[in-house]
Amino acid sequence: DGGITQSPKYLFRKEGQNVTLSCEQNLNHDAMYWYRQDPGQGLRLIYYSQIVNDFQKGDIAEGYSVSREKKESFPLTVTSAQKNPTAFYLCASTRQGLDEQYFGPGTRLTVT
Amino acid sequence: QQQVKQSPQSLIVQKGGIPIINCAYENTAFDYFPWYQQFPGKGPALLIAIRPDVSEKKEGRFTISFNKSAKQFSLHIMDSQPGDSATYFCAASPLGSGNTGKLIFGQGTTLQVKP
Repeated sequence: DGGITQSPKYLFRKEGQNVTLSCEQNLNHDAMYWYRQDPGQGLRLIYYSQIVNDFQKGDIAEGYSVSREKKESFPLTVTSAQKNPTAFYLCASTRQGLDEQYFGPGTRLTVT
Repeated sequence: QQQVKQSPQSLIVQKGGIPIINCAYENTAFDYFPWYQQFPGKGPALLIAIRPDVSEKKEGRFTISFNKSAKQFSLHIMDSQPGDSATYFCAASPLGSGNTGKLIFGQGTTLQVKP
């Protein structure tokens, strides 16, 4: 089955620790995106990548980092510099030149 | 100018009713307007999308109405069912040679369809 997988589904961390969220796609999509979702709010773009080894900051990149070493993988690291990291994180992908973005199932991160 | 404003925040209808969710934008460079459906604890799923060259698009029970001059678009759900209870997001994407596929999302509408 083609799709986007995110792991883990739930993640708990202590304040001050860095944590990495996984996003893998087997759709052969070129572009990948990370969004953050908070209760009662829309999705906000953290980082995006259109090709391997290249990525750009979105609207709320502070406290986050990414890498794109392989076309199918786009991991997100939530660093200790992120002041309010508890949220639902969503990864998406799309084929270059097309508009339809497809989302993964999300990772709910709780930092205490 | 990059915002997409969505209303209402929440909506309750009876089964068979026609909920309507509205979105407004300011940036005339937007040229792609999708709607996403999200169930609790799941990722959003693309429902239907429209471009500004048409005023209406239907897919099953879901219809998008688009008013380019007013810079507004709306989602109508015909014959709504309890299974349609979910959060709905509108979004918009700007065009241009540097189009990165970035989506600007509305705040979301939580729909409850009562049996």
